[in-house]
Amino acid sequence: AQKITQTQPGMFVQEKEAVTLDCTYDTSDPSYGLFWYKQPSSGEMIFLIYQGSYDQQNATEGRYSLNFQKARKSANLVISASQLGDSAMYFCAMREASGSARQLTFGSGTQLTVLP
Amino acid sequence: DADVTQTPRNRITKTGKRIMLECSQTKGHDRMYWYRQDPGLGLRLIYYSFDVKDINKGEISDGYSVSRQAQAKFSLSLESAIPNQTALYFCATSDDRLAGRLRSSYNEQFFGPGTRLTVL
Repeated sequence: AQKITQTQPGMFVQEKEAVTLDCTYDTSDPSYGLFWYKQPSSGEMIFLIYQGSYDQQNATEGRYSLNFQKARKSANLVISASQLGDSAMYFCAMREASGSARQLTFGSGTQLTVLP
Repeated sequence: DADVTQTPRNRITKTGKRIMLECSQTKGHDRMYWYRQDPGLGLRLIYYSFDVKDINKGEISDGYSVSRQAQAKFSLSLESAIPNQTALYFCATSDDRLAGRLRSSYNEQFFGPGTRLTVL
């Protein structure tokens, strides 16, 4: 079974509007972390935001916020006031505390295009 | 200077050739990882290393080998490249001395810029 599911292969948003990118996850580990990365066309992976499974409040980082619904196992990324530079691929990832590798398990990504 | 560097950044090679991708980091992190990215599949773990003497296979290690020459260097080798190894390869590092908390306001894993490998 997929551990991280991103159901939106592509999304469009008008500049200055807000957009939500969906992410659902699957784990039986009570301790885990959820991450969002941005990958522009140049290819590098840019860390955006982190949410721990025990965090009581939703994470926020500038224009990025994470809508964490633990019971639904969802961790949607909200980008407020979209900018043209936000056009990129966005990946949701999870790290489980029990995993020996401590690696990140990634979703398949969502390609966001911001329209002028 | 970048904290995590990868060389080469781009490489085109032929089927059957041996290829080495190199990763260096100046962050002093203990753990290093090699990931592969294919379109529509996100990133998948190839190998990871906890320290110089500890190498472990990831999800898709077949056809690859690695070497951790020093804490700061982690190389990925394709002994006999094949076309379906055409992909974008990322090296990443993490400092797991803080791992038990899983709380952070820092980047959990730091990624290199990636190497685009094309096998013809």
